[in-house]
Amino acid sequence: EADIYQTPRYLVIGTGKKITLECSQTMGHDKMYWYQQDPGMELHLIHYSYGVNSTEKGDLSSESTVSRIRTEHFPLTLESARPSHTSQYLCASRDSSKETQYFGPGTRLLVL
Amino acid sequence: RKEVEQDPGPFNVPEGATVAFNCTYSNSASQSFFWYRQDCRKEPKLLMSVYSSGNEDGRFTAQLNRASQYISLLIRDSKLSDSATYLCVVILRGSSNTGKLIFGQGTTLQVKP
Repeated sequence: EADIYQTPRYLVIGTGKKITLECSQTMGHDKMYWYQQDPGMELHLIHYSYGVNSTEKGDLSSESTVSRIRTEHFPLTLESARPSHTSQYLCASRDSSKETQYFGPGTRLLVL
Repeated sequence: RKEVEQDPGPFNVPEGATVAFNCTYSNSASQSFFWYRQDCRKEPKLLMSVYSSGNEDGRFTAQLNRASQYISLLIRDSKLSDSATYLCVVILRGSSNTGKLIFGQGTTLQVKP
């Protein structure tokens, strides 16, 4: 089992609220990723990080932002949630020497 | 056109059946290939990598055809526990450092008793 964790697992929140989705891994992986997945659809990369203080935008445009102050922690923030942000957000990490990515359990976000 | 295309299914098969999924990719610069499994409302997990020579892991066989740009997954002697969505995933050449995965939509398999 991969040691990568996400909180909260489920979040229902009103429009306009600021939210932070947490992701942490204890495997010492330097590379971390955030994906967005709508039901029945493919995963899309929205952010990734090579390591501490490194963040890049992914292939799918997102209004969210990320930070990487510590190796093990890669939180995602939405300053003002909207119903269009309703989705599942999956965090992943990998070791630089390998191609396998390990996924966290995901956060299901519903914005009312 | 999507970079990685899969028939979403669902494929409904009886226990013990052999089932095959195909996946096509559009970018000839794709260099690494994988099958991930995603159970309902769960995270994706690596099932197996796909090598040019083809590879087998128990009841699962994966094959790659670079000329035709498709990947296949064969499952023999299907079990109820094989019911899941199977995601075809590629990494483009030059993306090994970033490790950016490109996912297909997935093919859903339902194995019936």
